[in-house]
Formats: sequence, C-alpha cells, structure tokens
Amino acid sequence: DAGVTQSPTHLIKTRGQQVTLRCSPKSGHDTVSWYQQALGQGPQFIFQYYEEEERQRGNFPDRFSGHQFPNYSSELNVNALLLGDSALYLCASSLPLGEQFFGPGTRLTVL
Amino acid sequence: SQQGEEDPQALSIQEGENATMNCSYKTSINNLQWYRQNSGRGLVHLILIRSNEREKHSGRLRVTLDTSKKSSSLLITASRAADTASYFCATDAIQNGANNLFFGTGTRLTVIP
Repeated sequence: DAGVTQSPTHLIKTRGQQVTLRCSPKSGHDTVSWYQQALGQGPQFIFQYYEEEERQRGNFPDRFSGHQFPNYSSELNVNALLLGDSALYLCASSLPLGEQFFGPGTRLTVL
Repeated sequence: SQQGEEDPQALSIQEGENATMNCSYKTSINNLQWYRQNSGRGLVHLILIRSNEREKHSGRLRVTLDTSKKSSSLLITASRAADTASYFCATDAIQNGANNLFFGTGTRLTVIP
C-alpha cells in the first residue's frame, strides 16, 4: 500500500517564475492538505482540499493556489515566485477530519 | 495564533537516557499530535492524544496532556541513535468542516551513541 507521494523531490526556480507541485494521497484517502515549512521552522498550513474544493485556507496570498482531481490527487501552484517561497512543501492526506499522513515533501529553491 | 511552542529548542543526550520534550499551545484543541522529522524530510506521525485524555503510551513513547495548562510532554525512554531527529507537536482546529494542524517550531534531539 503506497503512502503519500510527492513530485518532484527537488526544484530550482528563479524569482517571478511559476511552479506546480504534485501530490498523490494514500490509498483510500480523499482529503489533501498542503503545508509550507521554511528552514528551521514548523510546517505552516496553506490549504486543504476535499471533493475537489478548497475547504479551508491558511494565511497565504492568492499567489498560492491549488487543485484536486477526481482521483483525489492534488496540485499546488505558486505564481510570481519570491525568494521567501523557498521551503519544503509538504502534502498530507487523510479521511475527513482524520489523522493526516505526510509525504516526503518537495524542496523548492528560488534563486 | 494557535501555534504550539516546543521546549527545549535543542536537546542532546547519551544513548540509553530518556528524552523529554514539552509543548505549549494557546487555544482550545480537539487533539494534540506529535511528529518526528528526519533531516528535513517528511513528517512521521508518532502519537495522537485527544483532549479528554491525560496520558498515552506507544512503545518507548509516553505523552501527557494537561488541558488546564495548555501543555503536553513527549517522553522517549531508553533513547537510541536512530531517535535523532526533530520533534514537533501539532494541535488541530476544526473550522468549516476541515481540520488543519498548527505546528510548533520543534525540538531538535541528538542522541549520542
């Protein structure tokens, strides 16, 4: 049984570019949450998707957007990248209101 | 902010010793969870304790929760070098039918062989 998978593992972009990160949830899970973890900090909640809709959003600008597909996989898009967007982006899947299982993360570096 | 705060920020112990980490938070919670993270990789769920529970055990882990003090502690007994990692507490809040986790800044544990 595959756990949560994320792609790519690492990504290097320059300021102003756009990036798309992908997440496949654990088998049987239908809810996907995204978190941003800056170096030396704890993860910060970005948003959560369920039934292809954004259910809740953290304190992140509109440059951060997402999507959930009918197979429950999800994408995180970040537009107009800033240096401060450099971080580890974590995806977590769960059943609604259930325990969240995290993927290995995507390390984004913005130059 | 509901974010938890772990204490200490860093802890270094000898293999075989016990490690205790503390977490404080600010608002009412449904659950409190502890996670481990190795070298900036994904988070591994360790244990969940519900707001109506006071203590929970899982193998070498013991978690306590004091909702009156808004604090929790994680005890790792008989530590091993493989326990070297960052440990985070996370509280959850259910809003608009969704639950999101609020993480602290973590405790960096080093177990010296």
